[in-house]
Amino acid sequence: GESVGLHLPTLSVQEGDNSIINCAYSNSASDYFIWYKQESGKGPQFIIDIRSNMDKRQGQRVTVLLNKTVKHLSLQIAATQPGDSAVYFCAERENDYKLSFGAGTTVTVRA
Amino acid sequence: GAVVSQHPSRVICKSGTSVKIECRSLDFQATTMFWYRQFPKQSLMLMATSNEGSKATYEQGVEKDKFLINHASLTLSTLTVTSAHPEDSSFYICSAREPQVPKTQYFGPGTRLLVL
Repeated sequence: GESVGLHLPTLSVQEGDNSIINCAYSNSASDYFIWYKQESGKGPQFIIDIRSNMDKRQGQRVTVLLNKTVKHLSLQIAATQPGDSAVYFCAERENDYKLSFGAGTTVTVRA
Repeated sequence: GAVVSQHPSRVICKSGTSVKIECRSLDFQATTMFWYRQFPKQSLMLMATSNEGSKATYEQGVEKDKFLINHASLTLSTLTVTSAHPEDSSFYICSAREPQVPKTQYFGPGTRLLVL
């Protein structure tokens, strides 16, 4: 079946550097995408979303890029901080249906 | 973003007892809420979709008589784990969807259930 996946399960980044987390999705009909951050022992926290009629969306220190041609989603974090260490999930949705989650990427920030 | 609360955050119970978990959307009305289960180092597994005023829709393999869901108001959904057993020990997370487009889904802080 179609699902959302992540290219890499772990990412180690030096504090202050930029981070890029990638996500591949297979449902070409998906029209809404969300990135969540989950810290240990907590629920997922909404970071940023993007609709399929957009290619890029920026938030505070974060940017989401959507490439519908290759069905690829990425999350860029600028000037990564220790507090950014967490598991990051991408999720996709078709119309008002339920979200489909990827496996998650663990980001570790090195001091 | 919107706030979703969950209570309790942690519960320990004896095998055979029932446990109720509450999920509230604090600053918006949610006609649709979701219940997830998450095992260590794994992604979220959807258990059921809770619709206000109607029966919940359960995912394949989830026992509706074991995991009772009630969505009696637009801000409250409850999950009751009936006759809990050690294998039910897990991290349960609820989520509420905003009614307005794009209907963003926000998550609660989760409930850690340990069944002895």
